[in-house]
Order: sequence, then structure tokens, then C-alpha cells
Amino acid sequence: AQTVTQSQPEMSVQEAETVTLSCTYDTSENNYYLFWYKQPPSRQMILVIRQEAYKQQNATENRFSVNFQKAAKSFSLKISDSQLGDTAMYFCAFIEGSGGSNYKLTFGKGTLLTVNP
Amino acid sequence: NAGVTQTPKFQVLKTGQSMTLQCAQDMNHNSMYWYRQDPGMGLRLIYYSASEGTTDKGEVPNGYNVSRLNKREFSLRLESAAPSQTSVYFCASSSNLYQETQYFGPGTRLLVL
Repeated sequence: AQTVTQSQPEMSVQEAETVTLSCTYDTSENNYYLFWYKQPPSRQMILVIRQEAYKQQNATENRFSVNFQKAAKSFSLKISDSQLGDTAMYFCAFIEGSGGSNYKLTFGKGTLLTVNP
Repeated sequence: NAGVTQTPKFQVLKTGQSMTLQCAQDMNHNSMYWYRQDPGMGLRLIYYSASEGTTDKGEVPNGYNVSRLNKREFSLRLESAAPSQTSVYFCASSSNLYQETQYFGPGTRLLVL
């Protein structure tokens, strides 16, 4: 069964500093995809970054990067130069790309990140 | 492009009432989804539609029905609302079912009294 675990319910960081959010997952598949979504107070779910499991290179999007450790089933998100607008709930999500009949995009329970001025 | 739109934004129902949540996307996506978000639970999949004309149950389908009206629209119906269905409902869409990134609507906040 797919599970996604975010072990940090809440985190805080000072503006301009770097913070890392952790995520671990469990799967028996070799082909899958991982995502980080951001949900600010507006409640809109916004894609932050995506990683394909077959790619060894860690994904990067501007100030956001991931540390993907496939063997350890770990997918952490690093936010550099934190900004006040980064304050949000962050969800790690996972989907198997095998095309099986039981489709499921599994979300973690989220980490609430607060960026302090 | 508006992306994914949802109506209404907020609704209050009495137990036993019915209602339909509407969702539309203008990105020519094949696949659409309905999720609910409850405190401390993350997002859970209610139903999904891999392509026009098909629908399938997700993780928490009980008490809901869906209709994929056409490629653009995917509605969620509560036939007899219960307080346990108080939640925030999100519609999402993606190019295809598996590898593709999902894009979310702004959500509908539903309160069942």
C-alpha cells in the first residue's frame, strides 16, 4: 500500500534563511512520481516541484529544490532564501506510474511552514 | 485561461439536503478528480475520471456520485448530505491519469448542519 509520511507537522524559519521539509514514502514499485504542493491561506493548491523516480538528478525550481534518495524512499524539499510568501501548508504527494487499475495519488498530512520577518 | 474553476465557493446545507458541486477546466485535460480535505487528513480522493465517459471510485466514495458531463466538466453530487461530509472539496485535472501533474481549483467549502 502507498503511504506518504511527513513527520514535521509545523516548522518555522526566519526570512532569507533556508529550511528543509521532510517526506518519506513507501512503495514496492520502481516507476513513480513525487510532488510537493503548496497551500497558502487562500487554500489554492499550487504545484511547487515534481520528480520522476527514474531520474537520478534532483529537481530544482528557482529557490525550491529536492533531495531525492530513492533507496531510502525519501523526498525532502529545500527552500532557500525563504520569503514571507512561502508561508503555507506544504504537502508531499506520490503516485505510481504503472498504469494499474487502482489509481491513487496519495498525499501526506502536510507541514505548516511559517516564515517569520 | 481560467484553469480549473469550481462553484459554489461556499455552501451551507441541512442534513438530508442534496446539492451538486460543479467543476470545469479549460486546459483540454483528459483526467479530472474530486478530493476532500479535512483537518489533519491531507487530501483524499473521492472519485476520478480518467477520460470523458469514464468514472471510478477513489479512496472515500461513499455518499457521493459523479458525472463527467463532457471533457471540460466533472460534477460531484451529494444526494443526502450528512454532517460527516462537512469538508473542503477540491476539483483537479491533469493531461492524463498517471504521470501528469494535477492542477487544482480554488475549492468549495461545505458545511452540513
